[in-house]
Amino acid sequence: SQTIHQWPATLVQPVGSPLSLECTVEGTSNPNLYWYRQAAGRGLQLLFYSVGIGQISSEVPQNLSASRPQDRQFILSSKKLLLSDSGFYLCAWSRPGQGKIYEQYFGPGTRLTVT
Amino acid sequence: GENVEQHPSTLSVQEGDSAVIKCTYSDSASNYFPWYKQELGKGPQLIIDIRSNVGEKKDQRIAVTLNKTAKHFSLHITETQPEDSAVYFCAASKRGTALIFGKGTTLSVSS
Repeated sequence: SQTIHQWPATLVQPVGSPLSLECTVEGTSNPNLYWYRQAAGRGLQLLFYSVGIGQISSEVPQNLSASRPQDRQFILSSKKLLLSDSGFYLCAWSRPGQGKIYEQYFGPGTRLTVT
Repeated sequence: GENVEQHPSTLSVQEGDSAVIKCTYSDSASNYFPWYKQELGKGPQLIIDIRSNVGEKKDQRIAVTLNKTAKHFSLHITETQPEDSAVYFCAASKRGTALIFGKGTTLSVSS
C-alpha cells in the first residue's frame, strides 16, 4: 500500500529565515505530487504540482518554491519567510498520468508558524 | 476558472440525525467531485467521490449526489455519530486540471 510522509510536523521560524519542508511517498512509482497551503478557517490552496522529476508547475506566485530531486520526494522551500507564510502545509499524491483525473491522497501536514 | 462554493460553513446535529452539505461549481466541464474529511491537526482524508457519468454513489452511511444540470453536488451522512465530527471539504476538477476546493463545513455531532 502507499504511504505519504511529511516532516517536520510542526515548525516555528522567524521572519526572514529560510524554509525547507519535505514530503516522500512510498509504495508507488512516478506519482503526481502536490503542495497545498491551508490558512486558518479557509480551504486548500494549490501551490505547486509535479508530474515528474524536475517538472514543477506553480499555481500561485509567491516567495515559495518547490523541487523534486527524486521520483518520490517533493520539497517546498523559501529563502526568506514572511508572516503571511504561516499555515498548514499539505503534500498530496495521485497516480501518474497527465491530463487524467485520479484520486488525491494527503499527507499528515506541517504546521508552520512564522514569528 | 472553476469556483466551488460550499454551504453551510457550520452544521450541528444530534447523534443519529442526518447531515447534508451542499456544493455548487461554476465550470460545466468539471467531471470529478471528491469529498474529504479533515480531523483537527490532520491531513484531509478522501471519503467518497463521484464522476459526472453517475448521479449518486453510496458507501455505507455516506452518499454523494450530483446534479450536472444545476451544477451542484451534495454529501449525505445518515445516522451520524460523534466520530463524524470534523471539517468536510468538497472539490471539483476536470481532466488535466487541479482540484478546486470549497472552504469547508465544520460538522459537530452531539450525543
